[in-house]
Amino acid sequence: GAGVSQSPSNKVTEKGKDVELRCDPISGHTALYWYRQSLGQGLEFLIYFQGNSAPDKSGLPSDRFSAERTGGSVSTLTIQRTQQEDSAVYLCASSPQRDSPQHFGDGTRLSIL
Amino acid sequence: AQKVTQAQTEISVVEKEDVTLDCVYETRDTTYYLFWYKQPPSGELVFLIRRNSFDEQNEISGRYSWNFQKSTSSFNFTITASQVVDSAVYFCALSERWEGAQKLVFGQGTRLTINP
Repeated sequence: GAGVSQSPSNKVTEKGKDVELRCDPISGHTALYWYRQSLGQGLEFLIYFQGNSAPDKSGLPSDRFSAERTGGSVSTLTIQRTQQEDSAVYLCASSPQRDSPQHFGDGTRLSIL
Repeated sequence: AQKVTQAQTEISVVEKEDVTLDCVYETRDTTYYLFWYKQPPSGELVFLIRRNSFDEQNEISGRYSWNFQKSTSSFNFTITASQVVDSAVYFCALSERWEGAQKLVFGQGTRLTINP
């Protein structure tokens, strides 16, 4: 079946602009995760959704970052007033239940000029 | 705090050689999971294995095998008779229970290059 789908695959934008990254999890997966992969920090956890709820948003690096999930499916990660340090690959993962192994998408490569 | 260390940044071997990727972890939890993921050049993280902290049995899957030793907090990964298609970055990860979820804490990764 279809895997986790992320769009766009690449995004280049100017510093100060807002960006939206989209994740379509595997159908039926209730848990959804966002991670960030950057050269300096490696792979970092950002936020987790169970259904449409995010129990804790403290993993987000700053208040410029926000995420939502609607209909227990698609999730959007929004970064406002982007900075150069936001340049990274943003990875989304989903799992059938919160205790199950996570399956990752190909990621969105974000470059801030 | 949870921590995963993959001391080998890069490994390069010739095809058909055996290679072991090291992973050492730190946790105060008594119940946890350990994982290995493969990241080929396409970028997608591919799930390879998950081990429960209560199960120290070694596991073999084809050319892949994993050695979990709680006494040394290690979860090493061996590829036997390596192939060029095994070239990728491999990540070891530890799950941290967080708001009921399995938050993954990753090592820095080991870039494995298999030369023909």
